Amino acid sequence: NAGVTQTPKFQVLKTGQSMTLQCAQDMNHNSMYWYRQDPGMGLRLIYYSASEGTTDKGEVPNGYNVSRLNKREFSLRLESAAPSQTSVYFCASSKRTDSYGYTFGSGTRLTVV
Amino acid sequence: GESVGLHLPTLSVQEGDNSIINCAYSNSASDYFIWYKQESGKGPQFIIDIRSNMDKRQGQRVTVLLNKTVKHLSLQIAATQPGDSAVYFCAESPRSNDYKLSFGAGTTVTVRA
Repeated sequence: NAGVTQTPKFQVLKTGQSMTLQCAQDMNHNSMYWYRQDPGMGLRLIYYSASEGTTDKGEVPNGYNVSRLNKREFSLRLESAAPSQTSVYFCASSKRTDSYGYTFGSGTRLTVV
Repeated sequence: GESVGLHLPTLSVQEGDNSIINCAYSNSASDYFIWYKQESGKGPQFIIDIRSNMDKRQGQRVTVLLNKTVKHLSLQIAATQPGDSAVYFCAESPRSNDYKLSFGAGTTVTVRA
């Protein structure tokens, strides 16, 4: 059981380039989330999808877009990368019925130069 | 606004001693709390959770205490081991916020041999 799988694990982009971070879960969870983690700031919610077919902004959505492709997959896109988007990105999923805890992926370390 | 914070950013513990990690929260509407452990280079891992109708919950070597009167959450780790060295995050989830988790900045626990 793989849990939450994120690709790629590492990425270096030049300012202005675009890329998509992929996330897939195999636990049949309803909700999926994208967080970014910066030193000393904990985890901040970028976007989330409460259920298949819905997406909503979180705390720091500017510069990002998301797609809930199906129940398993939730991608995060940077249309024009900026150095301020250098961070570690985590995808998470949650059953959100009898349990509200999240299962996290192993993260994508993104550097924008 | 709502915030979740940890009292101390770092904690150094002697191997074999008990560890206590504290967390204060400000949203009185929060009704679900969770502790995560994050090892270097990995995603956060679930440790233990507690609902607001409880004040204590025990797991394997860990205990979470919830004091709703003073909005305080703590994680106790018994007989701390080198493998417990990690960053620990508390998170809260109010039903009013669709159970999205808000994370504190984290406490780095270092276990001394």
